[in-house]
Amino acid sequence: DAGITQSPRYKITETGRQVTLMCHQTWSHSYMFWYRQDLGHGLRLIYYSAAADITDKGEVPDGYVVSRSKTENFPLTLESATRSQTSVYFCASRRQGSYEQYFGPGTRLTVT
Amino acid sequence: KQEVTQIPAALSVPEGENLVLNCSFTDSAIYNLQWFRQDPGKGLTSLLLIQSSQREQTSGRLNASLDKSSGRSTLYIAASQPGDSATYLCAVINYGQNFVFGPGTRLSVLP
Repeated sequence: DAGITQSPRYKITETGRQVTLMCHQTWSHSYMFWYRQDLGHGLRLIYYSAAADITDKGEVPDGYVVSRSKTENFPLTLESATRSQTSVYFCASRRQGSYEQYFGPGTRLTVT
Repeated sequence: KQEVTQIPAALSVPEGENLVLNCSFTDSAIYNLQWFRQDPGKGLTSLLLIQSSQREQTSGRLNASLDKSSGRSTLYIAASQPGDSATYLCAVINYGQNFVFGPGTRLSVLP
């Protein structure tokens, strides 16, 4: 019972590079979310998806791109990484009809 | 815009104490409130979910209450243990919107 997994768990990249963070869930949950967690800001929503091929912006979407071609996967791409995108990124999911969210273990991204 | 605050920011107690963590929100028209636990370097683990029609939820030594009219929720931890040491976050969701998280309370339970 894998639940929700994220990869990589740790990533160091350079400014200007493209980086993709992966999220996979085995529950067939309709909704999936990407958050970033920073000291002083708490958890902030980047993007979310209500179903395959349906995505929408959250509070801090600039500099990020998402896609959802399959229900179980929700990759987050930083098209041109900046130092301000150094953060811990969490993926979460929930099923239709319930607002209880389940979180992945997180990806710690450092942009140098 | 919904804003969520948590008091205290950090708390240190001796083992065995009962304690209360507080969560406040500015918009009382919430749908749910969820309490999470986060261990250092880990993801969030759901503890309790309270729907807007409920006033409290219990799980083991944890009890969460919700008072929508005053914009408050409390998480009560009975007989605290060192294993309870973690950061506790609350999150609220308004109708048709997404979760807004509080900044968390960092709890240390000393043996």
